Amino acid sequence: AQKITQTQPGMFVQEKEAVTLDCTYDTSDQSYGLFWYKQPSSGEMIFLIYQGSYDEQNATEGRYSLNFQKARKSANLVISASQLGDSAMYFCAMREGEWATSGTYKYIFGTGTRLKVLA
Amino acid sequence: EAEVAQSPRYKITEKSQAVAFWCDPISGHATLYWYRQILGQGPELLVQFQDESVVDDSQLPKDRFSAERLKGVDSTLKIQPAELGDSAMYLCASSLDRFLTQYFGPGTRLLVL
Repeated sequence: AQKITQTQPGMFVQEKEAVTLDCTYDTSDQSYGLFWYKQPSSGEMIFLIYQGSYDEQNATEGRYSLNFQKARKSANLVISASQLGDSAMYFCAMREGEWATSGTYKYIFGTGTRLKVLA
Repeated sequence: EAEVAQSPRYKITEKSQAVAFWCDPISGHATLYWYRQILGQGPELLVQFQDESVVDDSQLPKDRFSAERLKGVDSTLKIQPAELGDSAMYLCASSLDRFLTQYFGPGTRLLVL
């Protein structure tokens, strides 16, 4: 089974509108972290936002917010007021594993969603 | 602003040749990661260092890939011999510690002919 599922291969959004990129995850760990990264065509992965599994508030960073629904195991990224520069691939990622028991953490990425912002 | 440095940015090689990639993490970052990203897919973790020690190399094809971080600072990933299927983007990332946010470098695009 996929650990991180991004069901939208591609999305379009009109400039200045909001858009939601979906991400569901699968883990049996109690402690885990969820990340979103942006990858422009240049290739660099740019960190956007982080949500810890014990965080009760949804994370926000400027125009980015993470809609965390723990019971549904979803961590959707919401981009408000889309800009042309938001056009890129977006990856959802999860950190799982317990250092005390396994000695390391595992990082798993989804397959990404390509967002195109229309003028 | 501190950044992760990688070189070269692009590499074209022939199959069966050796190739090496270099990464310099953000100063003070103890954890360093190497990822491989095949076109159209998400990054896949190859190896994770904590200071100079390997803490996870379970996905590293050890018959041809090797990685080192001798002084716990910069790191080298080597492929010998390269195969056609190794064509991908190789991304390096670092974090202050292993459970903290990773910051990525610009990547090295490898093409094996």
